[in-house]
Amino acid sequence: EVQLVESGGGLIQPGGSLRLSCAASGFTASSNYMNWVRQAPGKGLEWVSVTFSGDTTHYADSVKGRFTISRDTSKNTLYLQMNSLRVEDTAVYYCARAPLPGILDVWGPGTTVTVSS
Amino acid sequence: EIVMTQSPATLSVSPGERATFSCRASQSVNNYLAWYQQKPGQAPRLLIYGVSTRATGIPARFRGSGSGTDFTLTISSLQSEDFAVYYCQQYNNWPPALTFGGGTTVEIK
Repeated sequence: EVQLVESGGGLIQPGGSLRLSCAASGFTASSNYMNWVRQAPGKGLEWVSVTFSGDTTHYADSVKGRFTISRDTSKNTLYLQMNSLRVEDTAVYYCARAPLPGILDVWGPGTTVTVSS
Repeated sequence: EIVMTQSPATLSVSPGERATFSCRASQSVNNYLAWYQQKPGQAPRLLIYGVSTRATGIPARFRGSGSGTDFTLTISSLQSEDFAVYYCQQYNNWPPALTFGGGTTVEIK
């Protein structure tokens, strides 16, 4: 079964750091465009970042310079390192697979990040 | 950045009726347009990509149409499981950025 499962969310103070993980099963993550998408409470979806073709990465302007996406092919796992966290980063963070550019066909259940003092 | 605008924000429909709602892009996205369904407490689910191609397992009552900047999702006969929020998303200028519309909530009338 193709599946994604996120972990690593929690409550963190502004300015802090957190690393999210997304474990993939049933397919090879490195053969796909792997994305992070977030959703603030009661709001819509916001694309955050993508990695593909080895080390190619892209970020939304709102997180550029603060977040880093990476993956461990041996563990078939995607990561999102989040630094200098802000209150406005509070959201459910989803990882999502795109076998073709931009088409997010498999999503994890999400992990919640709350940035608050 | 391409801005996606969905209307209406909320649509009240009775079960068995047709639901139609729109998505407009601030510039042409060609055919790089997808639709997602999201139910409360769940992750989004891909419904349609390439304007009109249904994803695996999506029933034929879901139909996407449009071109350029104006797109429509039609649900021909609403079932109880179809009451949800629907998002459009463009992937024309990606990378570097995917953008989503603000969503249309389809609620029971």
